Amino acid sequence: SQELEQSPQSLIVQEGKNLTINCTSSKTLYGLYWYKQKYGEGLIFLMMLQKGGEEKSHEKITAKLDEKKQQSSLHITASQPSHAGIYLCGADLTGANNLFFGTGTRLTVIP
Amino acid sequence: GAGVSQSPSNKVTEKGKDVELRCDPISGHTALYWYRQSLGQGLEFLIYFQGNSAPDKSGLPSDRFSAERTGGSVSTLTIQRTQQEDSAVYLCASSQRDGNSPLHFGNGTRLTVT
Repeated sequence: SQELEQSPQSLIVQEGKNLTINCTSSKTLYGLYWYKQKYGEGLIFLMMLQKGGEEKSHEKITAKLDEKKQQSSLHITASQPSHAGIYLCGADLTGANNLFFGTGTRLTVIP
Repeated sequence: GAGVSQSPSNKVTEKGKDVELRCDPISGHTALYWYRQSLGQGLEFLIYFQGNSAPDKSGLPSDRFSAERTGGSVSTLTIQRTQQEDSAVYLCASSQRDGNSPLHFGNGTRLTVT
């Protein structure tokens, strides 16, 4: 969806490095979801954020939704090869529980 | 079943033929979504079913595309007179419509139109 922009489109990092992926919308995000996709597979749910200022963590991955609820970031600490894949943000842009997705960020982690 | 099931996993068809893709959602999930993912692209929303409400068809790219959901469970996405640009992975997802539940995705159907 052009209403949901992800950056960067592609990211290559050395194992052990930290990284951040951003998801930005021109509209209020009623709900923001982060997914991970490996090649040839379906999407794996990572985290969901709904409240402005909310932050959630799972293992080495932290996601935040800004106060204005128009931008979210996904931060990976001490990246590992297992973190490699495509990260997609999905958002409810209308309040109708219909999710639109960004174009994804392809992450490569070099051992 | 334990997860969203899609069939077939792969489909090769000749240009001009009709195809049907099937999605079996997680039992009890009232919401069902179809998305399309072209090579190297993000997910393109196609259609959304919620309970007995009229589906949101706003994402269907042309009138060659249609979908139905029988009995509030299984859904079929039909593409008529397929074109080469229809080649993509078609993903189905389901969720509980309580505003607090994520979408659970199937592994998709890879459609190739030759």
